[in-house]
Amino acid sequence: RKEVEQDPGPFNVPEGATVAFNCTYSNSASQSFFWYRQDCRKEPKLLMSVYSSGNEDGRFTAQLNRASQYISLLIRDSKLSDSATYLCVVTNFNKFYFGSGTKLNVKP
Amino acid sequence: EAGVTQFPSHSVIEKGQTVTLRCDPISGHDNLYWYRRVMGKEIKFLLHFVKESKQDESGMPNNRFLAERTGGTYSTLKVQPAELEDSGVYFCASSQVKGASQETQYFGPGTRLLVL
Repeated sequence: RKEVEQDPGPFNVPEGATVAFNCTYSNSASQSFFWYRQDCRKEPKLLMSVYSSGNEDGRFTAQLNRASQYISLLIRDSKLSDSATYLCVVTNFNKFYFGSGTKLNVKP
Repeated sequence: EAGVTQFPSHSVIEKGQTVTLRCDPISGHDNLYWYRRVMGKEIKFLLHFVKESKQDESGMPNNRFLAERTGGTYSTLKVQPAELEDSGVYFCASSQVKGASQETQYFGPGTRLLVL
């Protein structure tokens, strides 16, 4: 069983739409949670950390549900520049476990 | 501030040859990680250095892979001899844990390795 599971998508949405991604993780002892963004043929870049209380950064909102072992990312008012692959990352003792990523295509 | 750099950006070699990848972490970052993404799969952890010491090498596929970080600065990852299944993108990341805050890893651009 994979450590982190994500729907690979692609999610094709129009500009201005709201889109949500979920990911689930298998190890209940996981300590830290992140969303990374990866553009085509580029390195992953940190989008935001995810906290149990939920956190927001502009149009992006991340939530963590430890009881159900899932993490979500909500993007409001999608922009063309949001098109990328979104990687769910879960850590356990400094070891990062990546999901395979969810591809988002925002269309005009 | 310079980010994580990796060299080369691409490498094409024949099966059985040796390749050495290099990673220069962000200055002052004690933690250095190697990851690999093979075609169609997720990014997977290979190993973790704290300064010059290997903290965790549980992700190394086999003994054809050797990582070093002499002096605790840059790191090299050598594959010898390379096999077809070693093809993929090799990412390096570094971090500096500060107190109790969550660790953020900063990734290099990756080395794309193709073994023919």
